[in-house]
Amino acid sequence: NAGVTQTPKFRILKIGQSMTLQCAQDMNHNYMYWYRQDPGMGLKLIYYSVGAGITDKGEVPNGYNVSRSTTEDFPLRLELAAPSQTSVYFCASSQGQGAWNTEAFFGQGTRLTVV
Amino acid sequence: GESVGLHLPTLSVQEGDNSIINCAYSNSASDYFIWYKQESGKGPQFIIDIRSNMDKRQGQRVTVLLNKTVKHLSLQIAATQPGDSAVYFCAESRTDSWGKLQFGAGTQVVVTP
Repeated sequence: NAGVTQTPKFRILKIGQSMTLQCAQDMNHNYMYWYRQDPGMGLKLIYYSVGAGITDKGEVPNGYNVSRSTTEDFPLRLELAAPSQTSVYFCASSQGQGAWNTEAFFGQGTRLTVV
Repeated sequence: GESVGLHLPTLSVQEGDNSIINCAYSNSASDYFIWYKQESGKGPQFIIDIRSNMDKRQGQRVTVLLNKTVKHLSLQIAATQPGDSAVYFCAESRTDSWGKLQFGAGTQVVVTP
């Protein structure tokens, strides 16, 4: 199994540009998440989804959008890139069938630099 | 607001010694806790979890202890090895925000020979 796959691994954007970070999982997980990790810091939740067609904001959603048209895919969209969005972005998924099963599996991350 | 935080940002441990990483949480409604290990350039990797109806759980070379009275959990690594060098995060999940994991800031563990 591939697990959680993120693309691209690295990207440099100019201020004001847009891009989509791709995330796919092949574990048939209901829950998917997007986190950002700033240098030397923990992970902050941007958006999450409990299933296809359902998304909700996390702790730091401003400047981002998501969609969940299929169980497998959960792309993250940056519309007008700003230097404050320079970070490492992690996608994760979990089975989420109960409060006792929320172990999340993470992708390898996308390192984004906005200049 | 509610948060999960770690006491020590960096922990230096001699190879072969035991490591103890601490984590505090502020929300008594938290009912599920996970420890993750993150090696440089990689995503977090699950180590061990514990539910709020337990106070101790053991895995291979790792033990998690949960003290609900003082809202504290710890990760103990026995016989620390060079491969244990990484950043360790605790994360919490709550039934009122089911499925969302909230992470602490992380502790850097450095294993010295």
